[in-house]
Amino acid sequence: GAGVSQSPSNKVTEKGKDVELRCDPISGHTALYWYRQSLGQGLEFLIYFQGNSAPDKSGLPSDRFSAERTGGSVSTLTIQRTQQEDSAVYLCASSLGLAGGPTDTQYFGPGTRLTVL
Amino acid sequence: LAKTTQPISMDSYEGQEVNITCSHNNIATNDYITWYQQFPSQGPRFIIQGYKTKVTNEVASLFIPADRKSSTLSLPRVSLSDTAVYYCLVGDIGDDKIIFGKGTRLHILP
Repeated sequence: GAGVSQSPSNKVTEKGKDVELRCDPISGHTALYWYRQSLGQGLEFLIYFQGNSAPDKSGLPSDRFSAERTGGSVSTLTIQRTQQEDSAVYLCASSLGLAGGPTDTQYFGPGTRLTVL
Repeated sequence: LAKTTQPISMDSYEGQEVNITCSHNNIATNDYITWYQQFPSQGPRFIIQGYKTKVTNEVASLFIPADRKSSTLSLPRVSLSDTAVYYCLVGDIGDDKIIFGKGTRLHILP
């Protein structure tokens, strides 16, 4: 079956522009996660959705970052007024959501590589 | 949330057994331990999960001592294709944040 898909796969933008990153989870997965991974670094947790609700948004790096999920499916991560330090790979994952949180098996997408010039 | 500590990198040779240990001294009673594998330019992939003692699947084994303050991922007879970064994750069902460790970069040599 289809895995988690993300689009675009690569995005180059200029400093100050807004970008939208999209994640399509595996069908039937109620939980969805966003992470950021800078070059050669570990995974930085951004936000987690159970259905359309995000219990804790404190992982978002700044108020320039926002995320939403509609219909319990597709999610969009928006970065406003991008900065060079936003350059990273943005990974999305989904899980069945039966257990929730870190105990669920997460299935990751291929990521979106964002480059801010 | 339990903080995890792993070795930054390890080298081993094809055919050897590799053990990667993760320390999680402040693990909570309801926390589970999960390991993920990440190849370059890919998202991480689930390997194994456990709560206590030993868990084994077709890919790896996970050893957890009685005090659960650490866990060891064991990869039997590694091959070059096992070269990857391995992440230890500790957390509970009720956690709203997912904190991966910094990962161990495993390099398998021929």
